[in-house]
Amino acid sequence: KQEVTQIPAALSVPEGENLVLNCSFTDSAIYNLQWFRQDPGKGLTSLLLIQSSQREQTSGRLNASLDKSSGRSTLYIAASQPGDSATYLCAAPLSGEYGNKLVFGAGTILRVKS
Amino acid sequence: GAVVSQHPSRVICKSGTSVKIECRSLDFQATTMFWYRQFPKQSLMLMATSNEGSKATYEQGVEKDKFLINHASLTLSTLTVTSAHPEDSSFYICSAGETGDTEAFFGQGTRLTVV
Repeated sequence: KQEVTQIPAALSVPEGENLVLNCSFTDSAIYNLQWFRQDPGKGLTSLLLIQSSQREQTSGRLNASLDKSSGRSTLYIAASQPGDSATYLCAAPLSGEYGNKLVFGAGTILRVKS
Repeated sequence: GAVVSQHPSRVICKSGTSVKIECRSLDFQATTMFWYRQFPKQSLMLMATSNEGSKATYEQGVEKDKFLINHASLTLSTLTVTSAHPEDSSFYICSAGETGDTEAFFGQGTRLTVV
């Protein structure tokens, strides 16, 4: 059964810092892994999707890596800005599922102070 | 990326009434859509899978008679919370993906408050 864990639960950093959010999953037989951003009271914004054949994906200041063998993924945010403040969610497919049926971690609440 | 629209974004209803939430894929067809629920300060939990033209499949612990799902077309799924109670107050959000694609796109979510 797929379980997703995120560390840390919350993070507060000064503007400009580089930071790493961690995600671990128990069933490594995944087709992909997705990182999302959720602003308070809002829906989800997809940030990065890493296919199982990839080791990392980049979008602007965001870089996500995937290590299936160890069941880990990291989201790296470079030069953080106050606008990056949000909850970041990691999600992996349910065990045996192809992709869209997701198990979410509890999230990391990020606060970037100006 | 694909666009998923959810309506309404916020609804307040009285105990005992029913509330319908719509989820639409705007620029693609989705044979499958998913409904999630998020309680305050918790993460999203999958409730059910909505299948176009057939019955929805529900996750363990989700009452199918309380959460009615209809997926009548390739672009629309609806979730009806029947006989709502205050404990049903939550954030409901749907997702869909293009057939053959593995990326999930989410609607804006619906904040349901039952008073």
